[in-house]
Amino acid sequence: GENVEQHPSTLSVQEGDSAVIKCTYSDSASNYFPWYKQELGKRPQLIIDIRSNVGEKKDQRIAVTLNKTAKHFSLHITETQPEDSAVYFCAADNDYKLSFGAGTTVTVRA
Amino acid sequence: GAVVSQHPSRVICKSGTSVKIECRSLDFQATTMFWYRQFPKQSLMLMATSNEGSKATYEQGVEKDKFLINHASLTLSTLTVTSAHPEDSSFYICSASKRGASTDTQYFGPGTRLTVL
Repeated sequence: GENVEQHPSTLSVQEGDSAVIKCTYSDSASNYFPWYKQELGKRPQLIIDIRSNVGEKKDQRIAVTLNKTAKHFSLHITETQPEDSAVYFCAADNDYKLSFGAGTTVTVRA
Repeated sequence: GAVVSQHPSRVICKSGTSVKIECRSLDFQATTMFWYRQFPKQSLMLMATSNEGSKATYEQGVEKDKFLINHASLTLSTLTVTSAHPEDSSFYICSASKRGASTDTQYFGPGTRLTVL
Protein backbone atom coordinates (compact mmCIF):
# COMPACT_ATOMS: atom_id res chain seq x y z
CA GLY A 1 0.00 0.00 0.00
CA GLU A 2 0.86 3.67 -0.07
CA ASN A 3 3.27 5.09 2.52
CA VAL A 4 3.38 8.83 3.04
CA GLU A 5 6.14 10.47 5.06
CA GLN A 6 5.87 14.07 6.21
CA HIS A 7 8.49 16.47 7.56
CA PRO A 8 8.99 18.29 9.79
CA SER A 9 6.74 17.13 12.61
CA THR A 10 6.78 20.60 14.18
CA LEU A 11 7.49 23.99 12.65
CA SER A 12 7.68 27.34 14.39
CA VAL A 13 7.88 30.48 12.27
CA GLN A 14 7.78 34.21 12.88
CA GLU A 15 4.67 35.96 11.63
CA GLY A 16 5.25 37.11 8.08
CA ASP A 17 7.82 34.44 7.30
CA SER A 18 7.24 31.44 5.05
CA ALA A 19 6.54 27.87 6.08
CA VAL A 20 7.38 24.80 4.02
CA ILE A 21 6.21 21.25 4.67
CA LYS A 22 7.48 18.33 2.63
CA CYS A 23 5.98 14.92 1.93
CA THR A 24 7.14 11.85 0.05
CA TYR A 25 5.06 8.95 -1.15
CA SER A 26 5.88 5.43 -2.20
CA ASP A 27 3.33 4.37 -4.81
CA SER A 28 3.97 5.83 -8.24
CA ALA A 29 0.32 5.11 -9.15
CA SER A 30 -0.91 7.79 -6.73
CA ASN A 31 -2.34 10.67 -8.70
CA TYR A 32 -4.02 13.08 -6.30
CA PHE A 33 -2.38 14.94 -3.42
CA PRO A 34 -4.51 17.04 -1.07
CA TRP A 35 -3.41 19.07 1.91
CA TYR A 36 -5.59 19.44 4.98
CA LYS A 37 -5.48 21.87 7.89
CA GLN A 38 -6.82 20.70 11.23
CA GLU A 39 -7.34 22.85 14.28
CA LEU A 40 -7.53 21.21 17.68
CA GLY A 41 -10.63 19.08 18.06
CA LYS A 42 -12.01 20.06 14.67
CA ARG A 43 -12.42 18.53 11.25
CA PRO A 44 -9.65 18.48 8.65
CA GLN A 45 -10.25 21.25 6.11
CA LEU A 46 -9.05 20.89 2.55
CA ILE A 47 -6.83 23.87 1.80
CA ILE A 48 -5.30 22.96 -1.54
CA ASP A 49 -4.81 19.94 -3.74
CA ILE A 50 -2.85 18.98 -6.82
CA ARG A 51 -3.19 16.26 -9.40
CA SER A 52 -0.44 14.33 -11.06
CA ASN A 53 -0.68 16.15 -14.39
CA VAL A 54 0.24 19.47 -12.75
CA GLY A 55 3.58 20.52 -11.27
CA GLU A 56 2.48 23.52 -9.23
CA LYS A 57 -0.69 25.15 -7.98
CA LYS A 58 -1.19 28.38 -6.09
CA ASP A 59 -4.07 29.86 -4.15
CA GLN A 60 -3.29 33.25 -2.61
CA ARG A 61 -0.70 32.62 0.14
CA ILE A 62 -0.69 28.86 -0.31
CA ALA A 63 1.10 26.88 -2.99
CA VAL A 64 1.79 23.22 -3.60
CA THR A 65 4.47 21.71 -5.79
CA LEU A 66 4.67 18.15 -7.05
CA ASN A 67 7.65 16.23 -8.38
CA LYS A 68 6.32 12.93 -9.70
CA THR A 69 9.72 11.62 -10.68
CA ALA A 70 11.06 12.03 -7.16
CA LYS A 71 7.68 11.22 -5.61
CA HIS A 72 7.54 14.20 -3.36
CA PHE A 73 5.27 17.19 -2.91
CA SER A 74 5.46 20.28 -0.75
CA LEU A 75 3.20 22.88 0.81
CA HIS A 76 4.36 26.48 0.90
CA ILE A 77 2.65 29.12 3.03
CA THR A 78 3.87 32.68 2.53
CA GLU A 79 3.35 35.71 4.77
CA THR A 80 2.25 33.51 7.64
CA GLN A 81 -0.34 34.81 10.08
CA PRO A 82 -1.26 33.62 13.61
CA GLU A 83 -4.42 32.01 12.22
CA ASP A 84 -2.23 29.70 10.13
CA SER A 85 -1.27 27.91 13.37
CA ALA A 86 -2.68 24.38 13.13
CA VAL A 87 -1.76 20.83 12.23
CA TYR A 88 -1.27 20.26 8.52
CA PHE A 89 -1.61 16.84 6.88
CA CYS A 90 -0.53 15.83 3.43
CA ALA A 91 -2.15 12.86 1.75
CA ALA A 92 -1.80 10.76 -1.36
CA ASP A 93 -4.69 9.14 -3.18
CA ASN A 94 -4.37 5.75 -4.75
CA ASP A 95 -7.47 3.95 -5.92
CA TYR A 96 -9.71 6.56 -4.25
CA LYS A 97 -8.27 5.96 -0.78
CA LEU A 98 -6.26 8.59 1.05
CA SER A 99 -3.08 7.76 2.93
CA PHE A 100 -2.11 10.53 5.30
CA GLY A 101 1.22 11.79 6.49
CA ALA A 102 1.86 12.01 10.22
CA GLY A 103 1.13 15.72 10.35
CA THR A 104 3.07 18.93 10.97
CA THR A 105 2.22 21.20 13.88
CA VAL A 106 2.75 24.76 12.68
CA THR A 107 3.05 27.55 15.20
CA VAL A 108 3.17 31.13 13.97
CA ARG A 109 4.76 33.44 16.52
CA ALA A 110 3.34 36.96 16.66
CA GLY B 1 -21.02 23.57 -1.04
CA ALA B 2 -19.83 20.29 0.41
CA VAL B 3 -21.01 20.02 3.99
CA VAL B 4 -20.72 16.84 6.00
CA SER B 5 -22.26 16.50 9.44
CA GLN B 6 -21.75 13.95 12.19
CA HIS B 7 -23.88 13.09 15.17
CA PRO B 8 -23.26 12.98 18.03
CA SER B 9 -20.25 15.25 18.46
CA ARG B 10 -19.40 13.68 21.81
CA VAL B 11 -20.51 10.49 23.48
CA ILE B 12 -19.61 8.85 26.75
CA CYS B 13 -20.67 5.27 27.28
CA LYS B 14 -20.08 2.38 29.61
CA SER B 15 -17.88 -0.53 28.68
CA GLY B 16 -19.84 -3.25 26.89
CA THR B 17 -22.44 -1.00 25.34
CA SER B 18 -22.81 -0.13 21.64
CA VAL B 19 -22.60 3.32 20.16
CA LYS B 20 -23.91 4.50 16.79
CA ILE B 21 -22.40 7.45 14.95
CA GLU B 22 -24.14 9.04 11.97
CA CYS B 23 -22.46 10.74 9.05
CA ARG B 24 -24.52 12.79 6.61
CA SER B 25 -23.70 14.71 3.46
CA LEU B 26 -26.04 17.69 3.73
CA ASP B 27 -25.90 19.33 0.30
CA PHE B 28 -24.62 16.65 -2.02
CA GLN B 29 -24.95 12.98 -2.80
CA ALA B 30 -21.94 10.98 -1.71
CA THR B 31 -20.54 8.30 -3.96
CA THR B 32 -18.42 6.94 -1.19
CA MET B 33 -18.09 7.54 2.52
CA PHE B 34 -15.03 6.85 4.59
CA TRP B 35 -14.53 6.28 8.29
CA TYR B 36 -11.33 7.29 10.05
CA ARG B 37 -10.01 7.03 13.55
CA GLN B 38 -7.65 9.58 15.05
CA PHE B 39 -5.78 9.24 18.33
CA PRO B 40 -4.52 12.38 20.13
CA LYS B 41 -1.70 14.11 18.27
CA GLN B 42 -1.70 11.43 15.59
CA SER B 43 -2.72 11.17 11.99
CA LEU B 44 -5.96 9.91 10.50
CA MET B 45 -6.15 6.17 10.04
CA LEU B 46 -8.63 4.85 7.49
CA MET B 47 -10.89 2.20 9.01
CA ALA B 48 -13.23 1.42 6.14
CA THR B 49 -14.69 2.58 2.87
CA SER B 50 -18.38 2.27 2.12
CA ASN B 51 -20.44 2.69 -1.02
CA GLU B 52 -24.19 3.11 -0.94
CA GLY B 53 -26.02 -0.19 -1.02
CA SER B 54 -22.95 -2.40 -0.74
CA LYS B 55 -20.84 -3.87 2.03
CA ALA B 56 -18.05 -1.79 3.47
CA THR B 57 -14.44 -2.56 2.70
CA TYR B 58 -12.39 -2.68 5.87
CA GLU B 59 -8.71 -1.90 6.20
CA GLN B 60 -6.34 -4.55 7.45
CA GLY B 61 -6.53 -4.93 11.21
CA VAL B 62 -10.00 -3.39 11.58
CA GLU B 63 -12.55 -5.82 12.99
CA LYS B 64 -15.67 -5.67 10.85
CA ASP B 65 -17.79 -7.36 13.51
CA LYS B 66 -16.81 -4.72 16.03
CA PHE B 67 -17.14 -1.68 13.77
CA LEU B 68 -20.37 -2.14 11.86
CA ILE B 69 -20.85 0.19 8.92
CA ASN B 70 -24.12 0.74 7.13
CA HIS B 71 -24.46 2.98 4.09
CA ALA B 72 -28.19 3.05 3.56
CA SER B 73 -28.45 6.02 1.22
CA LEU B 74 -26.38 8.44 -0.82
CA THR B 75 -26.41 10.88 2.09
CA LEU B 76 -26.13 8.72 5.19
CA SER B 77 -23.60 6.28 6.61
CA THR B 78 -23.50 4.94 10.15
CA LEU B 79 -20.71 3.45 12.22
CA THR B 80 -21.69 1.30 15.19
CA VAL B 81 -19.02 0.46 17.73
CA THR B 82 -20.24 -2.76 19.30
CA SER B 83 -19.37 -3.88 22.81
CA ALA B 84 -17.22 -0.83 23.30
CA HIS B 85 -14.15 -0.98 25.53
CA PRO B 86 -11.89 1.78 26.88
CA GLU B 87 -9.36 1.14 24.11
CA ASP B 88 -12.04 2.13 21.58
CA SER B 89 -12.00 5.64 22.98
CA SER B 90 -10.93 7.89 20.13
CA PHE B 91 -11.93 10.63 17.70
CA TYR B 92 -13.94 9.12 14.84
CA ILE B 93 -14.23 11.17 11.65
CA CYS B 94 -16.16 10.42 8.50
CA SER B 95 -15.64 11.88 5.06
CA ALA B 96 -17.56 11.80 1.81
CA SER B 97 -16.81 12.08 -1.88
CA LYS B 98 -19.22 13.86 -4.20
CA ARG B 99 -21.15 11.82 -6.70
CA GLY B 100 -20.61 12.94 -10.26
CA ALA B 101 -17.61 15.10 -9.44
CA SER B 102 -14.00 14.22 -9.05
CA THR B 103 -14.42 11.27 -6.77
CA ASP B 104 -11.11 11.54 -5.01
CA THR B 105 -11.80 14.80 -3.15
CA GLN B 106 -12.97 14.04 0.37
CA TYR B 107 -14.94 16.36 2.62
CA PHE B 108 -14.74 15.67 6.31
CA GLY B 109 -17.32 15.68 9.04
CA PRO B 110 -16.63 17.45 12.36
CA GLY B 111 -15.80 14.20 14.15
CA THR B 112 -17.22 12.33 17.13
CA ARG B 113 -15.30 12.10 20.37
CA LEU B 114 -16.02 8.70 21.92
CA THR B 115 -15.09 8.02 25.53
CA VAL B 116 -15.67 4.53 26.91
CA LEU B 117 -15.61 4.26 30.67
